[in-house]
Amino acid sequence: GENVEQHPSTLSVQEGDSAVIKCTYSDSASNYFPWYKQELGKRPQLIIDIRSNVGEKKDQRIAVTLNKTAKHFSLHITETQPEDSAVYFCAASIDNQGGKLIFGQGTELSVKP
Amino acid sequence: DAGVTQSPTHLIKTRGQQVTLRCSPKSGHDTVSWYQQALGQGPQFIFQYYEEEERQRGNFPDRFSGHQFPNYSSELNVNALLLGDSALYLCASSWGATNEKLFFGSGTQLSVL
Repeated sequence: GENVEQHPSTLSVQEGDSAVIKCTYSDSASNYFPWYKQELGKRPQLIIDIRSNVGEKKDQRIAVTLNKTAKHFSLHITETQPEDSAVYFCAASIDNQGGKLIFGQGTELSVKP
Repeated sequence: DAGVTQSPTHLIKTRGQQVTLRCSPKSGHDTVSWYQQALGQGPQFIFQYYEEEERQRGNFPDRFSGHQFPNYSSELNVNALLLGDSALYLCASSWGATNEKLFFGSGTQLSVL
């Protein structure tokens, strides 16, 4: 069945360093890939998303890259700040399956001052 | 502009009981999707409601049912509760039965004893 694998499960970086989180999806029909940030006790918030007809998208310190051939996509955060500390989830979905997002297991990012 | 509103925020039930969770979508949204998030895991898709009908369903038993009202708000019902139903239940809204840019609520934490 559909599956999204996310690595690493935990990531600790120093403030100002870069962080990279990687995901692999199983269903080659997937064409929409959002990333959500969830702080402790709060709702998941969409931080960036990409569609399969685009290879890379950037929004300030955050970027996402997509390799359709390898079925990989990654989140890159540059110049990390303590407020970036949270759990990050990748997800994949297919247009004709409505609101069904398949989420990865999450990456707990800790940014140390 | 209110976001997605879920009630109650916390709920404690015993095995075998039934529970109803409620969700009001973000202003301008007409579609509601429900997710179950177990501790330390990514959210899992339960189902999506659009135009008062269930449009898509994940791998959840028939004990999980829902409803959408003409004002686009939605209810999630779970019958014959099991210990394993303990989780955070998230509601996400969007427009036009899309899978894009889902806006999540803060969830209802359900504990089954």
